[in-house]
Amino acid sequence: DTGVSQDPRHKITKRGQNVTFRCDPISEHNRLYWYRQTLGQGPEFLTYFQNEAQLEKSRLLSDRFSAERPKGSFSTLEIQRTEQGDSAMYLCASSSRHHRQETQYFGPGTRLLVL
Amino acid sequence: AQSVTQLGSHVSVSEGALVLLRCNYSSSVPPYLFWYVQYPNQGLQLLLKYTSAATLVKGINGFEAEFKKSETSFHLTKPSAHMSDAAEYFCAVSHFGNEKLTFGTGTRLTIIP
Repeated sequence: DTGVSQDPRHKITKRGQNVTFRCDPISEHNRLYWYRQTLGQGPEFLTYFQNEAQLEKSRLLSDRFSAERPKGSFSTLEIQRTEQGDSAMYLCASSSRHHRQETQYFGPGTRLLVL
Repeated sequence: AQSVTQLGSHVSVSEGALVLLRCNYSSSVPPYLFWYVQYPNQGLQLLLKYTSAATLVKGINGFEAEFKKSETSFHLTKPSAHMSDAAEYFCAVSHFGNEKLTFGTGTRLTIIP
């Protein structure tokens, strides 16, 4: 069990550019979550997958954001036409849906800075 | 709808003193409650969780929390603070069938030597 990994750990981009982040969950975890954390705030839910199906999307996830989990393993989060307000830490978590309310294990996050 | 309120964005305690971090929740259905800790530039680590079993929950690193339905509270305590406890602490709520977590705004714990 190597834990949840995220890549890259840091990303600096210019406004208007597209960025893509990757999350590798704990192996055999069938649920995967994305959260966004801005400075001084708690994480906010963005979306989650059960296997390859995207089951819920937050209103925070504007049409510039898209998430995929094509084979039910790793996931990508893409932000198109980035804005300065997108600067945040993007956290990924995974859990196993075998028991009630399984623990979500978080990755180290990807810190995005939009200039 | 669910929400969490963490009272006190910053808490300072002396090394060896009691740690008390406050969390009140709002939920229209029986809640599941969590405390996570975040060290600088890292992800979140689960300290403990309440999932409708025992109301007093023991977690890692000597932390514990008590679920009080009448007070809608889930405060986090540790009898004796250690320097390594300095971090940001987040309370979160969810409910069965919709496991997305709703977090509070966090409490930054500082330990005074």
